[in-house]
Amino acid sequence: DGGITQSPKYLFRKEGQNVTLSCEQNLNHDAMYWYRQDPGQGLRLIYYSQIVNDFQKGDIAEGYSVSREKKESFPLTVTSAQKNPTAFYLCASSINIAGGYEQYFGPGTRLTVT
Amino acid sequence: SQQGEEDPQALSIQEGENATMNCSYKTSINNLQWYRQNSGRGLVHLILIRSNEREKHSGRLRVTLDTSKKSSSLLITASRAADTASYFCATPLSGSARQLTFGSGTQLTVLP
Repeated sequence: DGGITQSPKYLFRKEGQNVTLSCEQNLNHDAMYWYRQDPGQGLRLIYYSQIVNDFQKGDIAEGYSVSREKKESFPLTVTSAQKNPTAFYLCASSINIAGGYEQYFGPGTRLTVT
Repeated sequence: SQQGEEDPQALSIQEGENATMNCSYKTSINNLQWYRQNSGRGLVHLILIRSNEREKHSGRLRVTLDTSKKSSSLLITASRAADTASYFCATPLSGSARQLTFGSGTQLTVLP
């Protein structure tokens, strides 16, 4: 059963704490992505990785960090420096199909920081 | 760096009716994609249309692309309550085909 898993589905943290969101894929895709989605809005790219041990900042990388030590895994750490971390976080991977990179998404993690 | 923008922001129709949503983008692209998101879930890829295609079908979905107007439309025919979701268009970032930029989406509600 191939796909992308994110855990946990809901996460609650106190302000000032770092928190790591998990993302695992068994699709054998090279590229992986982290997005943030706020209510009623589209997706904003936080970080993406085209290959193991390589990643690039997206539009809103401040206050976040990532690692890509294995092809299957791309965890996201939300640090205490992120001013407004409460949001829905989506992980994705992509593959080139018919001339375009189609993205496959996980079910998301809803993070609430109080 | 938002590229695509959907219109309308929200659409409410009766079951059985057709739903049309539009996407406009700013720069030249080599493909445009549509995704669906059910409430509280991840996005699901619906269809990809290349810049040399004008129309593409997939089941009850019909997508058109007009590169001269930098616009695309998604038509869902004979809608069902299960089609209730947000629909996003996505285009590759200029200079980085693996990155997509997503619009803010159209929230479609299909009333039974």
